[in-house]
Amino acid sequence: GQNIDQPTEMTATEGAIVQINCTYQTSGFNGLFWYQQHAGEAPTFLSYNVLDGLEEKGRFSSFLSRSKGYSYLLLKELQMKDSASYLCAVRDRTDYKLSFGAGTTVTVRA
Amino acid sequence: NAGVTQTPKFRILKIGQSMTLQCTQDMNHNYMYWYRQDPGMGLKLIYYSVGAGITDKGEVPNGYNVSRSTTEDFPLRLELAAPSQTSVYFCASSYEGITEAFFGQGTRLTVV
Repeated sequence: GQNIDQPTEMTATEGAIVQINCTYQTSGFNGLFWYQQHAGEAPTFLSYNVLDGLEEKGRFSSFLSRSKGYSYLLLKELQMKDSASYLCAVRDRTDYKLSFGAGTTVTVRA
Repeated sequence: NAGVTQTPKFRILKIGQSMTLQCTQDMNHNYMYWYRQDPGMGLKLIYYSVGAGITDKGEVPNGYNVSRSTTEDFPLRLELAAPSQTSVYFCASSYEGITEAFFGQGTRLTVV
């Protein structure tokens, strides 16, 4: 199975940068996903890493180190609409189960 | 494309009642998942399926049952509803388990 940890809450100012860390332990790693979830809504896909390194998508970037069991999601030029919960999810290699961390609530302040 | 569709959106059940949460997807995805999300918490996997006729338990399967008779549909059955099953339920699907999962809009269930 997987054990996925991420901080509970983070606060940042509009226009700033925030980094959300995720550590995981898994018996068989086959990809890490980041999702965004606004209050009362369904999660929506942000990024995917399966190899080590940085994936950049506009204002959002995600990094993976498989040897350290570590990933981060970087949100740049924060906007008020980025206030949401950010979920780290790990896929298992053997059964393709997708398991989620508890989520990090990011609050963007003016 | 409709994507992943869940019905109903809201439901109130009395303790001991049963119900089926419906989930259907039109993307020809073979992998489908059911999660529950309690307030302020992450998603916990209830059951998942890698194709028609195949289902497996996730982290929290007790009190639930699923079936997968077609590629499109993956209903979740609650028997003898309990207050602990008050939650938001999300259905999701992915292609071959290798792409990102797409989520339905959720079913908000309250058991009183």
